[in-house]
Amino acid sequence: GESVGLHLPTLSVQEGDNSIINCAYSNSASDYFIWYKQESGKGPQFIIDIRSNMDKRQGQRVTVLLNKTVKHLSLQIAATQPGDSAVYFCAEKVSGTYKYIFGTGTRLKVLA
Amino acid sequence: DAGVIQSPRHEVTEMGQEVTLRCKPISGHNSLFWYRQTMMRGLELLIYFNNNVPIDDSGMPEDRFSAKMPNASFSTLKIQPSEPRDSAVYFCASSVDNSYGYTFGSGTRLTVV
Repeated sequence: GESVGLHLPTLSVQEGDNSIINCAYSNSASDYFIWYKQESGKGPQFIIDIRSNMDKRQGQRVTVLLNKTVKHLSLQIAATQPGDSAVYFCAEKVSGTYKYIFGTGTRLKVLA
Repeated sequence: DAGVIQSPRHEVTEMGQEVTLRCKPISGHNSLFWYRQTMMRGLELLIYFNNNVPIDDSGMPEDRFSAKMPNASFSTLKIQPSEPRDSAVYFCASSVDNSYGYTFGSGTRLTVV
């Protein structure tokens, strides 16, 4: 399952530093958002989610921020590790529908 | 839990041949989705089943593509005849009642030559 490949925006981060991955979503009616991580040869894996009535949610080493005013979502990874190297996708779910709209993805490279 | 299981992991076929991709959703999940991932278009929803019934197949590219879900534990995506532009990674995902967040399988990488 190689993810969308050669033309992805890439973020290179030094091991131990914090990473911030950004996503602009498209629909102001979206009420639920997910960040997925896709490693080479695997399917997308759920990381963290947030509903539109929140602006911040924290997990283990990850934080998602939601700014509905500008339709922006970000994923913060604290103390980035080599195992965090992957492609990260945001996905939005429009209220009242079952469909998710996936972003194009950002490749995170962790430098040793 | 074994997760969503897809087979085969890789498929190489000649143009014009029939291809069948298989998916076993997580037990107890009643929503199933087929996605296609390409470099140019990213992740695209092809079809969505709920309780084994196709709810939305508007993402199916054309009549060459068909999907079935004969029971709660099995689904197939068939391409007949296959074309080189069908080359992609095909993912199956499942959830409970289209609840928040899917679980994806590992995908089938299809190459049509």
